[in-house]
Amino acid sequence: QSVLTQPPSASGTPGQRVTISCSGSSSNIGSNYVYWYQQLPGTAPKLLIYRNNQRPSGVPDRFSGSKSGTSASLAISGLRSEDEADYYCAAWDDSLSAFYVFGTGTKVTVL
Amino acid sequence: QLQLQESGPGLVKPSETLSLTCTVSGGSISSSSYYWGWIRQPPGKGLEWIGSIYYSGSTYYNPSLKSRVTISVDTSKNQFSLKLSSVTAADTAVYYCARAIYSSGWYQTWGQGTLVTVSS
Repeated sequence: QSVLTQPPSASGTPGQRVTISCSGSSSNIGSNYVYWYQQLPGTAPKLLIYRNNQRPSGVPDRFSGSKSGTSASLAISGLRSEDEADYYCAAWDDSLSAFYVFGTGTKVTVL
Repeated sequence: QLQLQESGPGLVKPSETLSLTCTVSGGSISSSSYYWGWIRQPPGKGLEWIGSIYYSGSTYYNPSLKSRVTISVDTSKNQFSLKLSSVTAADTAVYYCARAIYSSGWYQTWGQGTLVTVSS
């Protein structure tokens, strides 16, 4: 069971801005970087954001990440049909047994 | 260009051991600062991190799976492997191998994934 909580779904019309939240705790988001992954249907996840707000080469600047305390957010501005996918946050957890944890995932639908 | 490819049986019987191998091409598994991980995704569900390994053999495991998981590395073959014992239907999933920057870092390169079904 994940310790990072995301809303199960989010939606918007083309051109709109959509925000996805990721809630954690002091042992994960509160003390480590947050990462975001995009998973298109039937494909492997793809890194979208690293170190809270950094975009890998090739990721459009429509995607942005932020972190505050024990929560993080991914924003998609200028929503496009190809953004319809599952999105996962992730972070390292420094609790008794250090481990990597993914969020519960959010399905973004473009209406 | 770094590529990862999972291989192994697509069907495993309940109570047996699931064994998968990830072959790394286009780069060395012995490169410093990189950890090699396994992540799985049950059909229709979210991602679950299984564990990761450094080329030296240092490992991290998901506490919920630790008692059943072993991840090993073979630098001579540029491969790393996953063994999950005493499997049940709940272990049916697509299994991905991936490379991370540091143990706590981001997974930038992923394999395509392989579906493993646990059934008699």
